[in-house]
Amino acid sequence: DTGVSQDPRHKITKRGQNVTFRCDPISEHNRLYWYRQTLGQGPEFLTYFQNEAQLEKSRLLSDRFSAERPKGSFSTLEIQRTEQGDSAMYLCASSLWTGGNNEQFFGPGTRLTVL
Amino acid sequence: GQQVMQIPQYQHVQEGEDFTTYCNSSTTLSNIQWYKQRPGGHPVFLIQLVKSGEVKKQKRLTFQFGEAKKNSSLHITATQTTDVGTYFCAGPTSGGSNYKLTFGKGTLLTVNP
Repeated sequence: DTGVSQDPRHKITKRGQNVTFRCDPISEHNRLYWYRQTLGQGPEFLTYFQNEAQLEKSRLLSDRFSAERPKGSFSTLEIQRTEQGDSAMYLCASSLWTGGNNEQFFGPGTRLTVL
Repeated sequence: GQQVMQIPQYQHVQEGEDFTTYCNSSTTLSNIQWYKQRPGGHPVFLIQLVKSGEVKKQKRLTFQFGEAKKNSSLHITATQTTDVGTYFCAGPTSGGSNYKLTFGKGTLLTVNP
């Protein structure tokens, strides 16, 4: 399968613990995005990378969230000191920016439950 | 900030009936994208519209982009059970370079066989 993959698919953690999610984009894609989705809502933008550079972080994202994309390949999203309000589906997407079509390919997501 | 609104929130139809979902942006969009998310699945890109008044068709699906580039619609003719899912529209954030999408809340379509 050459699509976007995410690991783990599900994560249950206790409040206050740290969690880290991984995203492997489609190999030739230069853009990588993280979104958060809760029930009944559309994906909400969290952050975005062009190659290895993190170019924007949503103002909705607290300092407990950090993302990296070393070497412009896979990306990790870490949430420190998790809170119950962090429970959501975390989606990763990638795209090949060519100046026109910006079709984003989404991964299956990581569902986080904070107890 | 920019808002993207979709109506209706839910739509239940009998198989064979038509379905339409509407998307409205608070700001003019350079383009609009549509995604479909099956229950338990992830969003899958359907189409991108760029030109004012543009109409594109994909088999039974017809997509329109308004003349003012602030609204869009998706129409499905003769729905089938495979059309079940949530349909999202998404537009680039004002002033952005197309990378940051604002999604609507989506329209959940259920089809009774």
